[in-house]
Amino acid sequence: NAGVTQTPKFQVLKTGQSMTLQCAQDMNHEYMSWYRQDPGMGLRLIHYSVGAGITDQGEVPNGYNVSRSTTEDFPLRLLSAAPSQTSVYFCATAPDSAVNSPLHFGNGTRLTVT
Amino acid sequence: DQQVKQNSPSLSVQEGRISILNCDYTNSMFDYFLWYKKYPAEGPTFLISISSIKDKNEDGRFTVFLNKSAKHLSLHIVPSQPGDSAVYFCAASTPLGGSEKLVFGKGTKLTVNP
Repeated sequence: NAGVTQTPKFQVLKTGQSMTLQCAQDMNHEYMSWYRQDPGMGLRLIHYSVGAGITDQGEVPNGYNVSRSTTEDFPLRLLSAAPSQTSVYFCATAPDSAVNSPLHFGNGTRLTVT
Repeated sequence: DQQVKQNSPSLSVQEGRISILNCDYTNSMFDYFLWYKKYPAEGPTFLISISSIKDKNEDGRFTVFLNKSAKHLSLHIVPSQPGDSAVYFCAASTPLGGSEKLVFGKGTKLTVNP
């Protein structure tokens, strides 16, 4: 039982490149989400999904796309990377979107955009 | 405007003593609060939560206190252990909010010295 798996762990991109951050979970959780964590900032929600086929924007969605074709996977796409997207990205899941269903986080992807 | 504030970026305590981590909030509609712990190079993990119908919740060495009139909550760790050294995030949500409405503080780095 792997929980929440994020790949890659580290990535360096040049400005303008695109890439996909992968998130996979084996807990059959309906709710999946992406956060970014920047120095001196709390976790900020990028996009989230309450089930397969359903996605919605969070607090900081600009520059990112998501899709949820299966329950297990929730990839985050950077369309044209910018230095402002340098951050640590966390995928988080929960059995449902209720706030008293605590989030399970992956170990993060550290992204640097030069 | 920060709705959830953790005003102490860091805290250092001796092993065996009490650690008190504080969190203030400005939105009087918040009614559910969670604490997450994060080790370096790992994702946050859920620690403890409290609903606004309570003023205290306890789980082993961890106790969270909620003072609604002061819009303040605190996490007490007794006794503190070196393995408790981590960054602690406070998070809050409103009655109509699910996990997508969670607001995180910036975190407090706790160091427990042997």
